[in-house]
Amino acid sequence: AQTVTQSQPEMSVQEAETVTLSCTYDTSESDYYLFWYKQPPSRQMILVIRQEAYKQQNATENRFSVNFQKAAKSFSLKISDSQLGDAAMYFCAYRSLDNYGQNFVFGPGTRLSVLP
Amino acid sequence: GAVVSQHPSRVICKSGTSVKIECRSLDFQATTMFWYRQFPKQSLMLMATSNEGSKATYEQGVEKDKFLINHASLTLSTLTVTSAHPEDSSFYICSARDASGYNEQFFGPGTRLTVL
Repeated sequence: AQTVTQSQPEMSVQEAETVTLSCTYDTSESDYYLFWYKQPPSRQMILVIRQEAYKQQNATENRFSVNFQKAAKSFSLKISDSQLGDAAMYFCAYRSLDNYGQNFVFGPGTRLSVLP
Repeated sequence: GAVVSQHPSRVICKSGTSVKIECRSLDFQATTMFWYRQFPKQSLMLMATSNEGSKATYEQGVEKDKFLINHASLTLSTLTVTSAHPEDSSFYICSARDASGYNEQFFGPGTRLTVL
């Protein structure tokens, strides 16, 4: 079974600065998806960024980018130019590629605070 | 993007009563829906996978007779918490897999259940 670990329960960053959230995972599969989800106080899960394991290029979405190290099974999220609205819980998630493994395996989450 | 709704958004009930939570995919067909449970300050834990027209698959430790799941159409899955007790109080989130395209999954806004 796959597992996802986020070693930072809480992080804080100064507004406009850059912060990196860590995620490691364990799997025996060679192909899969990795995600970062944001959960603000409203509790709605919001997709931040997604990475296909077969792609070597790191995914980017505006101020959000990842550092995907497949051999190390590491998938960190970098948030540049942090904004107050970035404050939330961030979950790293793994999903298998096959049709029967479509559920997510979530990490325990990292609570990000953005300081004005 | 695709929208998944949940109803009700919050419910308070007395111990011993049953509560039904609906999950709807509003603009796509979902052959598979997933039900998650999230305790305060914790991650999402998969409870069951709901497949349209067939029985749900429950994760280990989840009582199928207590958490009844019905996926009667391609746009609706329901979770019924039977004989609810205070320990069932939690945040319940559904996600729906789009049967077309890239099998994307979309999350509902969640339902907060409080059992008195």
